[in-house]
Amino acid sequence: GQNIDQPTEMTATEGAIVQINCTYQTSGFNGLFWYQQHAGEAPTFLSYNVLDGLEEKGRFSSFLSRSKGYSYLLLKELQMKDSASYLCAGTDSNYQLIWGAGTKLIIKP
Amino acid sequence: EAGVTQFPSHSVIEKGQTVTLRCDPISGHDNLYWYRRVMGKEIKFLLHFVKESKQDESGMPNNRFLAERTGGTYSTLKVQPAELEDSGVYFCASSRAGQQFFGPGTRLTVL
Repeated sequence: GQNIDQPTEMTATEGAIVQINCTYQTSGFNGLFWYQQHAGEAPTFLSYNVLDGLEEKGRFSSFLSRSKGYSYLLLKELQMKDSASYLCAGTDSNYQLIWGAGTKLIIKP
Repeated sequence: EAGVTQFPSHSVIEKGQTVTLRCDPISGHDNLYWYRRVMGKEIKFLLHFVKESKQDESGMPNNRFLAERTGGTYSTLKVQPAELEDSGVYFCASSRAGQQFFGPGTRLTVL
């Protein structure tokens, strides 16, 4: 079956670094997305990985290991506005997005 | 460019009534997707249009749900008759290829 697993909730301190892990099982694989979603708003795109390795984009980086079915989103220099849900989504052979339940990230001052 | 828009933002209806949700994709995006997030659960795929054709509707829960995309532009998702378990947030997304851009969602509450 197809499955995306990520932690339900994480807490971190303003200014710190946090890593949100995601493991996936999809029928075929055409890349992995990370989206950010603030309460009551639409998901917004953060990153897309299709090759192994680390993609860095400002304070946010995303890593993919296809052999391990594993990805992580790394957030540096955390700000209060980073408090949100972070959704991991794999794409299957039909390019359908298979979503994780999301990780709620709580930032404390 | 304007983003994906959805209408209405909220809808509260009684069980057995009909509701129609509308999605206007980003201009030029052939791919249009409908998703649903039921409270406390992950976002689930409903269906995928390429222009006016249904590419994949494997996620549609049952025949009470009908999606259309007339002329390959905007899309509607009709729920008839609505049931309590249909409550949730319905997201629409569009893409040219790869990255999907999401609309703000329609929060549907069935009483």
